[in-house]
Amino acid sequence: AQSVTQLDSQVPVFEEAPVELRCNYSSSVSVYLFWYVQYPNQGLQLLLKYLSGSTLVESINGFEAEFNKSQTSFHLRKPSVHISDTAEYFCAVLLSTGGSYIPTFGRGTSLIVHP
Amino acid sequence: GAGVSQSPSNKVTEKGKDVELRCDPISGHTALYWYRQSLGQGLEFLIYFQGNSAPDKSGLPSDRFSAERTGGSVSTLTIQRTQQEDSAVYLCASSGAGRSYEQYFGPGTRLTVT
Repeated sequence: AQSVTQLDSQVPVFEEAPVELRCNYSSSVSVYLFWYVQYPNQGLQLLLKYLSGSTLVESINGFEAEFNKSQTSFHLRKPSVHISDTAEYFCAVLLSTGGSYIPTFGRGTSLIVHP
Repeated sequence: GAGVSQSPSNKVTEKGKDVELRCDPISGHTALYWYRQSLGQGLEFLIYFQGNSAPDKSGLPSDRFSAERTGGSVSTLTIQRTQQEDSAVYLCASSGAGRSYEQYFGPGTRLTVT
């Protein structure tokens, strides 16, 4: 069975600073990887995903994540954060084989951007 | 188009009562998931429906929890004899056919058991 570890429960940063939210997974087979974001009082929405191809994936609002197979990681980064990026971020993994369509989610990282 | 909707948005109930939570997935989505979100605990998978196949109930925490999906669309999660530890936000998500694997989440139902 796969598992997902988000190493930081809370990450406080100042506006315009860079940020990295860490995500590691364990799986014996290949996986698909996702980052979801939950803004205050809203539902989760997909931020970006890795299915295949380029290991660096980007979102429309400046976030990027890189799939590192050797380190089993999918860390989320942004070079300069905004106040509006304050939200809960969830990493998720889905086995790409075996017929299961049930992803496993991490516990989430709360990104708090201070002015 | 309409997204995933859930009702009620908030539910306060007394310990021991039964509750029903409703989810309307995106039209045409064949897969439907229920999750429970507790503070600091992330998303806990409860149950998964895919088309006409038998649901995957492996995440249901006890036999007080059950869910059904009628006509391949609307789903109802029922919790019988609620306990205080059932207090959480219950999220529904749906996904479509194809290989995007993206889940679309509803806003959730916040359940408080007093």
